[in-house]
Amino acid sequence: NAGVTQTPKFQVLKTGQSMTLQCAQDMNHNSMYWYRQDPGMGLRLIYYSASEGTTDKGEVPNGYNVSRLNKREFSLRLESAAPSQTSVYFCASSELGGQAKNIQYFGAGTRLSVL
Amino acid sequence: KQEVTQIPAALSVPEGENLVLNCSFTDSAIYNLQWFRQDPGKGLTSLLLIQSSQREQTSGRLNASLDKSSGRSTLYIAASQPGDSATYLCAVSTGNQFYFGTGTSLTVIP
Repeated sequence: NAGVTQTPKFQVLKTGQSMTLQCAQDMNHNSMYWYRQDPGMGLRLIYYSASEGTTDKGEVPNGYNVSRLNKREFSLRLESAAPSQTSVYFCASSELGGQAKNIQYFGAGTRLSVL
Repeated sequence: KQEVTQIPAALSVPEGENLVLNCSFTDSAIYNLQWFRQDPGKGLTSLLLIQSSQREQTSGRLNASLDKSSGRSTLYIAASQPGDSATYLCAVSTGNQFYFGTGTSLTVIP
């Protein structure tokens, strides 16, 4: 059982380049999330998708777009990468969003450097 | 805006010792609080989830408590082992929004 799979694991971009981070879950979860983790800042929510066909902004959405392609897949796109987007990106999923018993399952992360 | 704080930022203890990690949050209107473990270079693994109506949850050597009115949670680890060395993060949920603390880095010395 793979759980939450993120690709790629590592990426180096030049300022202004674009890229898409992929995330897929095989647990039939309804809700999916994208976070970034920076030293001293903790994890911050970028975007989430409460259910297939819906997406909403989190705490730090500027510079990012997302697509909930189907129930399994949730992608994060950087249209014009900036050095401030250097970070570790995590995708997570949960069975139901907005519920009291809402355990999140995380992928292994994508380490992105923007030069 | 919800603020989540974890103290201390780092902790080093000898093997076998019992220890407590602390988490505080500013807004008591939460759905739940979760404790996660993160190993270096890895993703997060959920350890315990406490719903807002609950006071504590236990799993093996771990016990988490929640005092929603005071905005505090503790994670108690009994009889610590070197394999417990990791970063422990707490997170509160206000529905679909999750707010994380910056974590406590725990080292258990053999």
